[in-house]
Amino acid sequence: GAGVSQTPSNKVTEKGKYVELRCDPISGHTALYWYRQSLGQGPEFLIYFQGTGAADDSGLPNDRFFAVRPEGSVSTLKIQRTERGDSAVYLCASKGQDNSPLHFGNGTRLTVT
Amino acid sequence: AQSVAQPEDQVNVAEGNPLTVKCTYSVSGNPYLFWYVQYPNRGLQFLLKYITGDNLVKGSYGFEAEFNKSQTSFHLKKPSALVSDSALYFCAVRDMDSNYQLIWGAGTKLIIKP
Repeated sequence: GAGVSQTPSNKVTEKGKYVELRCDPISGHTALYWYRQSLGQGPEFLIYFQGTGAADDSGLPNDRFFAVRPEGSVSTLKIQRTERGDSAVYLCASKGQDNSPLHFGNGTRLTVT
Repeated sequence: AQSVAQPEDQVNVAEGNPLTVKCTYSVSGNPYLFWYVQYPNRGLQFLLKYITGDNLVKGSYGFEAEFNKSQTSFHLKKPSALVSDSALYFCAVRDMDSNYQLIWGAGTKLIIKP
């Protein structure tokens, strides 16, 4: 079936603007993760959803970052008052049952100018 | 503290030669271990995992990994490298405290030269 879909693939925005990044997980996957990745680095955990609720948002860097998953499927990562330091690739992943691997989307490359 | 180490930032191998990408871990209890590959401008793709059973795990694209409990290692291997194997490789272990988190290595860039 279809994999994890992330839109847009690229987003350029000006400092101070608001952005929304969308993730459409694999159908039936209840677990959804957002990560941030800087060039040449490993994924940095942001937030984990189990169903509709954020089970762990301890990785969100500050209160400018927020994510929702209102119907337990599509998720949106929202960043307010963007800063140049927010520039990175934002990855979404979903997972089926417990020991199954994460399935990643291709990411959204965010550039804040 | 739980951790994953990939001691090599970069590994260079000639096409056709065997390759090894190293990973060591530190967790309490029995580890759940994963290897992922990332091609340029793509997300991470799952290669293989060790949960239990045979210490030699076979995965996608001809890769395999050997779990060694005494050395707390999970090195990724392939008998004959292809230029198309050039990519960034990440080792990860499940966080035994959270059960849903992965602890990631810093990644190893694999370069296969023709």
